[in-house]
Amino acid sequence: GAGVSQSPSNKVTEKGKDVELRCDPISGHTALYWYRQSLGQGLEFLIYFQGNSAPDKSGLPSDRFSAERTGGSVSTLTIQRTQQEDSAVYLCASSVLGTGATGELFFGEGSRLTVL
Amino acid sequence: GENVEQHPSTLSVQEGDSAVIKCTYSDSASNYFPWYKQELGKGPQLIIDIRSNVGEKKDQRIAVTLNKTAKHFSLHITETQPEDSAVYFCAARFNNAGNMLTFGGGTRLMVKP
Repeated sequence: GAGVSQSPSNKVTEKGKDVELRCDPISGHTALYWYRQSLGQGLEFLIYFQGNSAPDKSGLPSDRFSAERTGGSVSTLTIQRTQQEDSAVYLCASSVLGTGATGELFFGEGSRLTVL
Repeated sequence: GENVEQHPSTLSVQEGDSAVIKCTYSDSASNYFPWYKQELGKGPQLIIDIRSNVGEKKDQRIAVTLNKTAKHFSLHITETQPEDSAVYFCAARFNNAGNMLTFGGGTRLMVKP
């Protein structure tokens, strides 16, 4: 079956512009995560959606970052007034939760954002 | 806050040798410790995991060990092959974090043929 799909795969933008990154999780996965991976660095948690619960936004680095998940499926990460330090690969993952689930995160291939 | 430290950041071995990557975590109540492999241009993929009620787990050439007392866990790859070259991430699920994982900084493993 299809894995986690992210778009665009590459985005180059000018400083100050807004960008939207999209994530299509695996069908039936109730949890969705956004992580950021700067060049040569680890995975920095940004935000976590679980079912209909309020999202865990504790990892968002500033109020320029926001995310939503519509209908419990597709998610959009929005970065307003982009800065050069926002340049990174933004990874989305989804997982199944609940009794018997392993909790494995399935990652997409990421959206590489370059802010000039 | 919760923290996962990973060492080394880079590791170069000869084909056929073993590779060991180590991680420490901060929350003693953590209960789940996966390892992910990230190949160039791809997203990370789970390769093995261990839960807090188990001390060691093996899957062919890879194994993971967990020392709860010392709060550290390690990935062991034996008989390394060039296709093992990738970035490896350890992670921990902290007790109060739902299903969210905190990742280590990653180890770039290079296996020389």
